[in-house]
Order: sequence, then structure tokens, then C-alpha cells
Amino acid sequence: QVQLQESGPGLVKPSDTLSLTCAVSGASIRSGNYYWAWIRHLPGKGLEWLGFIYHSGITHFNRPLKSRISIAVDTSLNQFSLKMTSVTVADAAVYYCARVRCTGSCSTIDLWGQGSLVTVSS
Amino acid sequence: QSALTQPRSVSGSLGQSVTISCTGTSSDVGAYHFVSWYQQYPGKAPSLIIYEVTERPSGVPDRFSGSKSGSTASLTISGLQADDAAEYFCCSYGGSYSLVFGGGTKVTVL
Repeated sequence: QVQLQESGPGLVKPSDTLSLTCAVSGASIRSGNYYWAWIRHLPGKGLEWLGFIYHSGITHFNRPLKSRISIAVDTSLNQFSLKMTSVTVADAAVYYCARVRCTGSCSTIDLWGQGSLVTVSS
Repeated sequence: QSALTQPRSVSGSLGQSVTISCTGTSSDVGAYHFVSWYQQYPGKAPSLIIYEVTERPSGVPDRFSGSKSGSTASLTISGLQADDAAEYFCCSYGGSYSLVFGGGTKVTVL
């Protein structure tokens, strides 16, 4: 059974960099035709796709956030990570890592982590 | 890309049907047959219930069905049950390896 688990600080100071890691267990991050994604749920708002990465390192980002976000993959540790720079209180959210299936397009999110609550405060 | 538009809430009685709309544009929902729906309970991760507009993953009851007309996709829950009370999100492929979500719809079972 494939599982995803986010980890990282729950509290980040304004203007600092948010860093989260997603550990993949039960399967190799290189197996299958999947992108590995970061998605956040802003309080009182909907979900927001941040970006995703293929095991080869190819990345795609949500255009408005592209200048602040980087996603990396470590196939030896079977995990991928998110960094978001210059955070503000508007970035406070539950951050999910997820697996995106590529069949025809890469758009079906068939597996989610449990989510990691990130608070932005000094 | 702007978020897809969903009603904030819908409600229905036990056994009835409810339909949730998800309106996008000709660049996302209207352009691709890649709309998915997710169910989320409070404090839990979302779960896939519909993909590629009409397809159900194994284990999802056939009370859940999806459709699309033009730039609006819809999720219908038939025979409403108490545990269908949750938040539902739509998601569309937006081209160029991008995804766009809706704002979410809270379903209340009366």
C-alpha cells in the first residue's frame, strides 16, 4: 500500500522560507507514470495546486507562484520536497503532498498525504 | 488561471439527489476531458471520487456520477446518505501541465 507522509516545521516566520518533505513508502518514486505534487488548502478557501515533479526532475509550477517555489526529488531517499521563499501570513495553510497519475494528461490525483498545517507568525 | 467556480454549499434530504456545478473556461474545463472530483471530510485528506469527467475509481459507489457540458462540469450524488456530508472539490487540467481547482462545495444532508 503506497503512502505519503509530509514533514516539516509547523511554524514559519514571515519572510522566511517554508520547507516541507514528503516521504513515499510502499513503492518507488520512480515506478509508474506519476508526477509528485504539492497542493495547499488555504483557510476558508479552496485547494490550490502549487506544482509537481517527475522522478527525472522535470518540474511544473503554478505560474503566479513560480518565482517563490522550488520542488526537488531525491530518488535515493524516495522523497520529494517543497521550498517556498518569502512567506507571508497569506501562505498559512494545510500543505498536502500528492501523487498525480498521468493517463492522457497528468491530472488525476489518486493519492494524498495526510497534510501538514503551516502557520506563519513571528 | 482563475479558480473554478463552485457553489459554496448545497443541501438535500436523505435519499434525494444533489448536483454540484463546477464552472471554468474554454482553457480548462471546456478544453479537456480531464475533470476530477474529490471528497474531503474535516481534518482529513481529500479522496478521489470521479476522474476524467465520468469515471469512478473502484470502491466509489455508483451513487456518485460526473458529467460535463461546455465549460461546466457537474457532480451528482444520488440517494443521499448521511456520510455524504462533506466538502467536494473539482479540479481540471489547465493545459501545459497545470491544474486548477474549484473553491469547494459543502454538502449538508438534512
